[in-house]
Amino acid sequence: DGGITQSPKYLFRKEGQNVTLSCEQNLNHDAMYWYRQDPGQGLRLIYYSQIVNDFQKGDIAEGYSVSREKKESFPLTVTSAQKNPTAFYLCASSRGPGTGGSYTFGSGTRLTVV
Amino acid sequence: DQQVKQNSPSLSVQEGRISILNCDYTNSMFDYFLWYKKYPAEGPTFLISISSIKDKNEDGRFTVFLNKSAKHLSLHIVPSQPGDSAVYFCAASAVGGNQFYFGTGTSLTVIP
Repeated sequence: DGGITQSPKYLFRKEGQNVTLSCEQNLNHDAMYWYRQDPGQGLRLIYYSQIVNDFQKGDIAEGYSVSREKKESFPLTVTSAQKNPTAFYLCASSRGPGTGGSYTFGSGTRLTVV
Repeated sequence: DQQVKQNSPSLSVQEGRISILNCDYTNSMFDYFLWYKKYPAEGPTFLISISSIKDKNEDGRFTVFLNKSAKHLSLHIVPSQPGDSAVYFCAASAVGGNQFYFGTGTSLTVIP
């Protein structure tokens, strides 16, 4: 079955460390997205990518970085510059903007800074 | 500024009754809307969609209504079941837009 896989499910990071969250999809989707969920704030877009080797900042990109070297993979690095990284991170994919489709989400990664 | 708003953080409904979840948006360019359901520690799952050329879309127990003039949409669940207890997000996208904008979610509890 096709799907989108995020790993790890839980991640702990010490202050000052960078950490990378994995996101892989086998849906042959062109577009991929990273969202952050905080209590009472819904889902906020961090970065998105519509094609390989191209990505754009979302509403809250500061302190994050991404790469899109392969269609299937869209890893997110939370850098030490992110002031409040503890959150639930969701990766999603879609056929692409304007296609009238929906996002398929992964199961999320809970990041906690200790 | 929040372009999609869900003003009710929580809702409790008796099993078998109707659940009505509301969503408002501010951007008149939005023309495609989705509802997602989310359980704790899981990713959201797609529930139902509606485009601006329609004012109603049904899928089993779930119906979404769109009032473009009021910039308002609602999700009706009839009859409500305990398994429907989850957080529901509405999302909106504009023509040719690059992303969906999500509301803050409404936590639905269906009481057996």
